Amino acid sequence: DTEVTQTPKHLVMGMTNKKSLKCEQHMGHRAMYWYKQKAKKPPELMFVYSYEKLSINESVPSRFSPECPNSSLLNLHLHALQPEDSALYLCASSQDVVGIRLYEQYFGPGTRLTVT
Amino acid sequence: RKEVEQDPGPFNVPEGATVAFNCTYSNSASQSFFWYRQDCRKEPKLLMSVYSSGNEDGRFTAQLNRASQYISLLIRDSKLSDSATYLCVVIPMNTGFQKLVFGTGTRLLVSP
Repeated sequence: DTEVTQTPKHLVMGMTNKKSLKCEQHMGHRAMYWYKQKAKKPPELMFVYSYEKLSINESVPSRFSPECPNSSLLNLHLHALQPEDSALYLCASSQDVVGIRLYEQYFGPGTRLTVT
Repeated sequence: RKEVEQDPGPFNVPEGATVAFNCTYSNSASQSFFWYRQDCRKEPKLLMSVYSSGNEDGRFTAQLNRASQYISLLIRDSKLSDSATYLCVVIPMNTGFQKLVFGTGTRLLVSP
């Protein structure tokens, strides 16, 4: 079953709040990703974890802090966000980050974040 | 030039029509190609991978033209439920991690 779950579905937070987004997959995938998507734009890669280690940080501001507690879980900790950070935050996973046919990424439903 | 380019549309077609989308990519060393589908306010879902020989899945056919650096998606007998944004995705073969590069998407509207 190709399923990635994310919580919460919606989140409204003030600029001084601290919150966390959570992502979980039980497909045995070893790579997990965070993307940010603004309206009418494609997803933009933020972070990649491979075998529970951060392998890519696409120059994301430090107010976004990822964490991978184990191979099934991925968190994104949020602190002191700006209104322009409002977007859909998508988690994805893939079997691995190398190897043909292992690139296929499966996305969770996303967390719609509004920063006020 | 963008790494992956798509006509944003929208493509408005009646039910039962055949519609085709093209996508061009700039990195000639790219090796992996995909089509994703994204419904309004939903996550992208993998529609199909695109193989060198082309591949078909039911009403959907994907083709790759390496010489001209484009991939295509053909949808036959369009259904209302095909209305969505179709994202072309390319993985450039740089050293190290292979990252998905998304096109901006082509919007399809199928009407009764």
